[in-house]
Amino acid sequence: GQQVMQIPQYQHVQEGEDFTTYCNSSTTLSNIQWYKQRPGGHPVFLIQLVKSGEVKKQKRLTFQFGEAKKNSSLHITATQTTDVGTYFCARDSSASKIIFGSGTRLSIRP
Amino acid sequence: DAGVTQSPTHLIKTRGQHVTLRCSPISGHKSVSWYQQVLGQGPQFIFQYYEKEERGRGNFPDRFSARQFPNYSSELNVNALLLGDSALYLCASSWGGPDTQYFGPGTRLTVL
Repeated sequence: GQQVMQIPQYQHVQEGEDFTTYCNSSTTLSNIQWYKQRPGGHPVFLIQLVKSGEVKKQKRLTFQFGEAKKNSSLHITATQTTDVGTYFCARDSSASKIIFGSGTRLSIRP
Repeated sequence: DAGVTQSPTHLIKTRGQHVTLRCSPISGHKSVSWYQQVLGQGPQFIFQYYEKEERGRGNFPDRFSARQFPNYSSELNVNALLLGDSALYLCASSWGGPDTQYFGPGTRLTVL
């Protein structure tokens, strides 16, 4: 019920190609957060989306929140080797806890 | 400004032992949350503390406990360690509530 599903689990791209990861929920989300975790590192907050249909950009990263607030996506344009890592979406729930998706691991061929 | 700090960075224990992990939040943050991250998975919520009181608890057995001190630092205790407790334990701080989480570098626990 409270889980967020992320696809794909893995993505291997050529440097310069685009990358997209999707996050889906069966229930309406109050907000969605995105985090990046480099190999051997810890999750680092990227952005939070709150409004239905919201689109936010950070340089080559574009984040979208669905109109029904049940899905979200992260799109990276022209990937670079520095983009390598695992990207997690996360939702908050009752009992003040953050629920993370399973993540999408991005690897890049130089 | 210092970020979230955790100690120790690595720890090796044997089954049945107990462990205490420590976390210091970002200055001014009053909320601390603990997560367990098993290799290849997303962080799993264990506890959240706010103003020294438990505000949230995940689906973890009673062997897991935590507390928050008046200076907002926190400890996570795990008793009767099992092999399956081997994981990266992450602490995250925030101003309060389920808002943006700022993660520490984690403690890598290995149970042999």
